[in-house]
Amino acid sequence: DIVMTQSPDSLAVSLGERATINCKSSQSVLYTSNNKNYLAWYQQKPGQPPKLLIYWASTRESGVPDRFSGSGSGTDFTLTISSLQAEDVAVYYCQQYYDTPITFGQGTRLEIK
Amino acid sequence: QVHLVESGGGVVQPGRSLTLSCAASGFTFSDSSIHWVRQAPGKGLQWVAVISNAGGIQYYADSVKGRFTISRDNSKNTLYLQMNSLRPEDTAVYFCARGGALIGSWFDPWGQGTLVTVSS
Repeated sequence: DIVMTQSPDSLAVSLGERATINCKSSQSVLYTSNNKNYLAWYQQKPGQPPKLLIYWASTRESGVPDRFSGSGSGTDFTLTISSLQAEDVAVYYCQQYYDTPITFGQGTRLEIK
Repeated sequence: QVHLVESGGGVVQPGRSLTLSCAASGFTFSDSSIHWVRQAPGKGLQWVAVISNAGGIQYYADSVKGRFTISRDNSKNTLYLQMNSLRPEDTAVYFCARGGALIGSWFDPWGQGTLVTVSS
C-alpha cells in the first residue's frame, strides 16, 4: 500500500498570511507514460463532506479560489494557501489515486492564529 | 447539478448486516466509477471500495474484503454497499463519491454521508 504522510498535523496561521501543508508518499505517484502525478487535495469543514481542491497535484478544481495552489512531483507535494481567509479553517487531506488501495494522508488541521 | 445522496445507515449489532444506498443525479451515472469512503468519529478518511462504471470491476480495502460487497444498478442510478459481519470498528460516516471513467481518479463530488453505528 502507498502510505501518505502529511505534515504538520496542525497549523495555526494569521489571517492574510501564507499556509503550507506538505504531503509525502511512500512511493512515487508519478505515472511516467503520461507524466501526471496521481495526487489530489481535499478540504473538509466540520459536518461537511470533503471538497475537491486540486487534482493532478497542481490543477485547481473549477470554482476553487486562486489563493489555493498545489505543487510537487514524485513523492513530495505541497498545498499552499497564499493569503489565509477565515473560511479556510478546515482539515486538509492529500490522496493518491495512483493505485488501489486508494489512500489518504492523516489530515492537517488548519486554524487561525 | 451533480448530486449524491446516501441512505441506509443506522444502529446495528455486531455480526449483523446492513445495506447502504447512494442515489445519483445530474450526470451520466454509467460513465463514472463510484467509491465508498468512511470516516470514523473524529478520525480521518479511509477508502473502502470502488466499482467500475459498468460494474465489472471491484476493489476493496483489506479491512472489509470478504465482508462488504459493492454493487451498482445503472438503470436506477444507484450504488450499494452490502455490509456483513459488522464489527464495532466499522462504525463511521460512509460517503459515496464519484470517480472518473477510470478507477484511478480523484473524487468529486461526495455525498453528505450516512452514519453507521455498530454497537450492542
